[in-house]
Amino acid sequence: EAGVVQSPRYKIIEKKQPVAFWCNPISGHNTLYWYLQNLGQGPELLIRYENEEAVDDSQLPKDRFSAERLKGVDSTLKIQPAELGDSAVYLCASSTMTGGKETQYFGPGTRLLVL
Amino acid sequence: DQQVKQNSPSLSVQEGRISILNCDYTNSMFDYFLWYKKYPAEGPTFLISISSIKDKNEDGRFTVFLNKSAKHLSLHIVPSQPGDSAVYFCAASASNTGNQFYFGTGTSLTVIP
Repeated sequence: EAGVVQSPRYKIIEKKQPVAFWCNPISGHNTLYWYLQNLGQGPELLIRYENEEAVDDSQLPKDRFSAERLKGVDSTLKIQPAELGDSAVYLCASSTMTGGKETQYFGPGTRLLVL
Repeated sequence: DQQVKQNSPSLSVQEGRISILNCDYTNSMFDYFLWYKKYPAEGPTFLISISSIKDKNEDGRFTVFLNKSAKHLSLHIVPSQPGDSAVYFCAASASNTGNQFYFGTGTSLTVIP
């Protein structure tokens, strides 16, 4: 079974430029997450989708960040314009229920460097 | 406010010995806890979980202990192997908060051959 796929794996951009990340979750996983991970920190939730609906985007900085999951499968996360402080790893995860409990499966992440 | 804390940023253990990784939490509503393992340049990989109705869950060399009164959980790896060298994150969620997962800052484990 293929895991969560993310692209690109690495991205270097100049500040004020736009950037987009793509995620393909595990087949059949209805729940999709985008996390931000800074160096030396744990993942922090940006947004959670149930199918195509964003059910928790309270942590998403909506002035510059946007996300979509139009058909309830793939998702994109966009930053426009990027700032120096956005340099981090952006993780996508999808989840399934096992024994009544949710388990998240993470992609390899996209490492963003804003210069 | 960090609701899940891993106070040891790093840990070194000799191969064959026990590794004990600790995690504390502040939210008494958390009822599900997980441990993830992360290698460099990869995403976190699910390792083991425990529900608050239990105080111990074992899977091979990995055992997670939960002390609800102390709001503390620990991951025991025995015997430790060099391939266990990675960053370990604990995570917690509460059923009544829409399954939002809160992660600790991670502990980097080095198993010395």
